[in-house]
This record gives sequence, C-alpha cells and structure tokens, in this order.
Amino acid sequence: QKEVEQNSGPLSVPEGAIASLNCTYSDRGSQSFFWYRQYSGKSPELIMSIYSNGDKEDGRFTAQLNKASQYVSLLIRDSQPSDSATYLCAVNAGGTSYGKLTFGQGTILTVHP
Amino acid sequence: DAGVTQSPTHLIKTRGQHVTLRCSPISGHKSVSWYQQVLGQGPQFIFQYYEKEERGRGNFPDRFSARQFPNYSSELNVNALLLGDSALYLCASSFSRGAAYEQYFGPGTRLTVT
Repeated sequence: QKEVEQNSGPLSVPEGAIASLNCTYSDRGSQSFFWYRQYSGKSPELIMSIYSNGDKEDGRFTAQLNKASQYVSLLIRDSQPSDSATYLCAVNAGGTSYGKLTFGQGTILTVHP
Repeated sequence: DAGVTQSPTHLIKTRGQHVTLRCSPISGHKSVSWYQQVLGQGPQFIFQYYEKEERGRGNFPDRFSARQFPNYSSELNVNALLLGDSALYLCASSFSRGAAYEQYFGPGTRLTVT
C-alpha cells in the first residue's frame, strides 16, 4: 500500500463546475496535510494546509480532513481553465520526520471551457 | 519578498560526473528540504536541514549529500551520476522544522544525465 494515494486521473470538469480531488494516507499518526498545485514544467505551489478535522475554506478552495478515515480532499468551486494543473496531496507524519513531506502521485485536472 | 531561489535552472551532465545544486530559502526561514521529482510522480524527500544540521534523510544512496550554511542557504551534491538521477530537484524552505510549518518550493533545477 502506498503511503499517500490520490484518486486516479485525469479528471476533466467543465468550467464553472466543482472539482473534487481525494487523497488517502496510511500513517494514522500523520499531523499535517497540504495541497499543492503544479503547472506543467513548474514547481509545486502551496494552495492549502489543514491540520485538524473538518473543513477549511480559502476563496474557491475548500480542504476537508477526516483523520478517522485517513482521508483528505480538496474541492475547487467555480472551476476555471486556469485551474488546469496537477494537484499534489502531501502529508507530514510529524514525530522524527519533521521536514519530510510524503506526496501522492498527483491528479491531473483539466477544466474545459 | 523574494521566494526560494535555486541555481542553476537547467543542467546537463554525463554519467559518472558530480553535480552541485544550490538553494537560498525565503528570508527568515531556517529550514531547507530537498526533493527529487521524476516525470509523472510526486516529489520524493531527500534531506532536511535545520540550523546547519541534517534533521532527516530519505531513502537515497550515499552518493547524495547536502549541507546548510550559516546564512541558511544549502547545497545538494550528487556524486557518480547515473541516468536515473535525471529529474527535477526541488528545494523547499520553511520557517522551522516542525510538521506544522508550511514548505514553499523554489523553481527547481532540472538535471539531465546523459
């Protein structure tokens, strides 16, 4: 079992729709969770961080965390063509792994006009 | 404010050679982490440095080494390059080393080994 798994893509949604990206993780003691966006040929850009169960909203983005189910998701409302990118889920297990982010393989999102 | 900077942007090396990649963190950030990203995969953790000391190491061979300087900038060194070392090398900085601190990535160095 991979440490961090993301829903297989690619994901294609029409402009204005809600895009839903999902991620599960295996280390039950994981402490912090991040979503990065990566455009083709560029480096990852942090878009959301979440540390406790529940929802966290930032503009059109909502991150949801359920530690009991070891599940984190990202919702993008009113999707725009500029949201087309690879979305990476990253988990920090904490403890002695202070700086280590473990990434999923990424989900490619395409928003078509 | 300037973000994380990395140099060089691109690099082409031959198998068996050595390479040094450089990173300057965001001003005020004391922790630097290095990641390797091959095409189609998420980044893989190589090292974390905090206050000039190695604080974490990923599953990479001893050919990979790094250090952090008093100004918190960092170098990643790779010896005896293999074709499989071709990847995007990413540096990420964070204010401190705890799990709660967000990591911000630089633009990366794309290394091609021929």
